[in-house]
Parts: sequence; structure tokens; C-alpha cells
Amino acid sequence: DAGVIQSPRHEVTEMGQEVTLRCKPISGHNSLFWYRQTMMRGLELLIYFNNNVPIDDSGMPEDRFSAKMPNASFSTLKIQPSEPRDSAVYFCASTYRGQPQHFGDGTRLSIL
Amino acid sequence: GENVEQHPSTLSVQEGDSAVIKCTYSDSASNYFPWYKQELGKRPQLIIDIRSNVGEKKDQRIAVTLNKTAKHFSLHITETQPEDSAVYFCAATVNRDDKIIFGKGTRLHILP
Repeated sequence: DAGVIQSPRHEVTEMGQEVTLRCKPISGHNSLFWYRQTMMRGLELLIYFNNNVPIDDSGMPEDRFSAKMPNASFSTLKIQPSEPRDSAVYFCASTYRGQPQHFGDGTRLSIL
Repeated sequence: GENVEQHPSTLSVQEGDSAVIKCTYSDSASNYFPWYKQELGKRPQLIIDIRSNVGEKKDQRIAVTLNKTAKHFSLHITETQPEDSAVYFCAATVNRDDKIIFGKGTRLHILP
């Protein structure tokens, strides 16, 4: 079991650029979650999918953020255009019915 | 929707003493309460969880208690050790593969 795999681990880019974060959930897991963590706001749920379908995107801050899950083994979170206030650690987590959520190692995003 | 309050935000404990972190939740339908530990620069990891049909659960030096009537639950760490220093998050949800609502976290310092 390789766990939840996120890439890249670190991303530094200039404001206005498009940022794409990637996540591979644990094989067999059917729910996937994207979180954002900052010192000020803690751990916030942005969006989650069940069986590749977005269930709740009420945490997505604004239209600059979008997420997709084209298949059971891959999801992306895009920010376009990026802003300095988007700087944070973004975590992906996955679970299967009856199991606790498992987190990936996160992507540390810095927008200059 | 569910709201989880966590206290204290910071806790310093002498090595060997006990630490207690308390959380309250608002949705009486919540029935699953996980606790996550996050070491500096690492991902949140599940350390213990409890379902609403159980009042207490223990795993070595860690225990969690749940009072459904009062809608609060607590994490107890006994005989604290330096490696217990981390941020601890409580959470609540109705279903484990549904979104879980996290508290703001408690930064635990174990003093030598």
C-alpha cells in the first residue's frame, strides 16, 4: 500500500500563473478529499468526491479554484490565476466506506 | 451544518504528566469522532477514533471519551513523552466516508 500520493511536494510560482496539484488516492478507495491548511484558518475542506463525482464543493474559495476527478485513481486541483493568499499546504485524503481518512504528504504552495 | 470547537489551542505539559484536549460538536447526528496527530511538516495521521455507541476507548497511553448528551469528547494522553509534541485535531462526522469537520487544532508541547 503506497498510501495517498501527491505531487508536487513543493511549488513556488509567481502570482497570476496557473497551478495544478495532483493526487492519486489509495487503490480501492472511493472517496477523495482536498484540504487547505494555513496557520490562520487551520484545516479547511475544499471539495470532496465520491465515486469520482463531486459531492460538496462549498469550501472552494472562489471561481479561481477548480477540481476534477476523471477516474478513480487521479484527481487534480487547479488554481488559475494564482494569488499570494493562496499560499498554503494542500492535502489530499482518501477513504473507503467504513475506513478512516488517509492523508497524503501534502503540497506546500508558495505564490510570490 | 456541523461545527467543532477545540480547546485549548496551545498546551504545555511536563514530560510524564497527562494532557487533556477537549472538543464540542453541534450536530447531534454526528456519530464518528476521529483524532489526528500532525507532527511538524508532516501529514495528519489518525491516532484513535470512537463511534457514538461507545463511551470510552483506550489504546496504550491514549484514550478518548465521548459524552453524547453534552456533545463533547476528549483526548487523554498519559505519561507524556517528547514524541507526543505535535498538533492534535479532533473531528466529527455522520459517516466516515462523508466529509468530516475538523477542530482548529491543539499544539501540544512536552516540556523536558
